Amino acid sequence: DIQMTQSPSSVSASVGDRVTITCRASQGISSWLAWYQQKPGKAPKLLIYAASSLQSGVPSRFSGSGSGTDFTLTISSLQPEDFATYYCQQANSFPPIFGPGTKVDIK
Amino acid sequence: EVQLVESGGGLVQPGGSLRLSCAASGFTFSSYWMSWVRQAPGKGLEWVANIKQDGSEKYYVDSVKGRFTISRDNAKNSLYLQMNSLRAEDTAVYYCARWKGRGCFDYWGQGTLVTVSS
Repeated sequence: DIQMTQSPSSVSASVGDRVTITCRASQGISSWLAWYQQKPGKAPKLLIYAASSLQSGVPSRFSGSGSGTDFTLTISSLQPEDFATYYCQQANSFPPIFGPGTKVDIK
Repeated sequence: EVQLVESGGGLVQPGGSLRLSCAASGFTFSSYWMSWVRQAPGKGLEWVANIKQDGSEKYYVDSVKGRFTISRDNAKNSLYLQMNSLRAEDTAVYYCARWKGRGCFDYWGQGTLVTVSS
């Protein structure tokens, strides 16, 4: 199975900051990567699919990039509602594997 | 509006069984692969199972093979997960999710908690 890692595991940031989260796959997955946001007690929400495609209704401050094994999620200007845990997920092959998550909290 | 509503969770003893249900609305249920994803308390997300539109193909994570069965009833717009021989490590919130054509999950239910404990 493909393994996914994320860094950092947590980040403290302020409203207005630019935040970048990195995801790495143990083998190449082309652009088959998704990003999710999860708030405490809530279901995950799809933000980005196919590495860089914004899911409908997701604010444009979220962006994704990368291909092969290395990917990034960038929040250009952090808003109060963005404090959450973010997961990447490889979508290249079965089984779909999630990264361990990155918690973004308030500095 | 796409809605997925899970039910059927609860407390069950090790070795017991439970059947989860997911009622779908707001989209053509029979046109989509569907999935179950779980999250143990304080842990990350783990895909559990997928089922094709007509139920002819099913896939499972290794840890539940032979114990869990995913199924669907397109006439009732419903997805199910039959869980047998439950173990403590199956304790989690179980989410029903729609499988997007790009290999990811585009809509999720609110989840139902399964607790396996004596």
